[in-house]
Amino acid sequence: EADIYQTPRYLVIGTGKKITLECSQTMGHDKMYWYQQDPGMELHLIHYSYGVNSTEKGDLSSESTVSRIRTEHFPLTLESARPSHTSQYLCASSESELNTEAFFGQGTRLTVV
Amino acid sequence: GQQLNQSPQSMFIQEGEDVSMNCTSSSIFNTWLWYKQDPGEGPVLLIALYKAGELTSNGRLTAQFGITRKDSFLNISASIPSDVGIYFCAGPPTGQGAQKLVFGQGTRLTINP
Repeated sequence: EADIYQTPRYLVIGTGKKITLECSQTMGHDKMYWYQQDPGMELHLIHYSYGVNSTEKGDLSSESTVSRIRTEHFPLTLESARPSHTSQYLCASSESELNTEAFFGQGTRLTVV
Repeated sequence: GQQLNQSPQSMFIQEGEDVSMNCTSSSIFNTWLWYKQDPGEGPVLLIALYKAGELTSNGRLTAQFGITRKDSFLNISASIPSDVGIYFCAGPPTGQGAQKLVFGQGTRLTINP
């Protein structure tokens, strides 16, 4: 069983609020990812990280930002939430470039009203 | 970006039937991963394939890495109700962007008891 955790599981928040979605893994994985997924749809990569102090934008443009100050922690922040940000956000991690098997957290379902 | 195309998009079958689904790409992949996602949860890794022609089983699931390295297949034998969910293929594209995982659109499996 993968040791990667996301909090909160569910979040309902008003427009304009700043939010941070937490993601932590205890496996010592270098690579971490954030995906955005609408219900029943495909996963879109919005951010990824090779390791500490490394972050890259993914394929889908996102107004969110990420940081990687510690190996185990990869939080995602929205400075000003909007209804268009309503979605499920999934965090994942993988060991290295040679081992690309990614393990996912349970996700955060965000609703912006 | 590089895309993975899954088919069929959805399947409606009777309990006990076998299931086949596939994933294709216009470019070469060196790794193919198959995930299953239950509603409201993160994807769970089912099978990982690392070598062209490789055939790997995990219980009633069997997956194959296509010889051309541009496709992969997942089969489920004797389906049961808990097989219901969305199945995604994924992989790191070769060359630029090899650090990140891309996902197919998913195959939604529904089982009639």
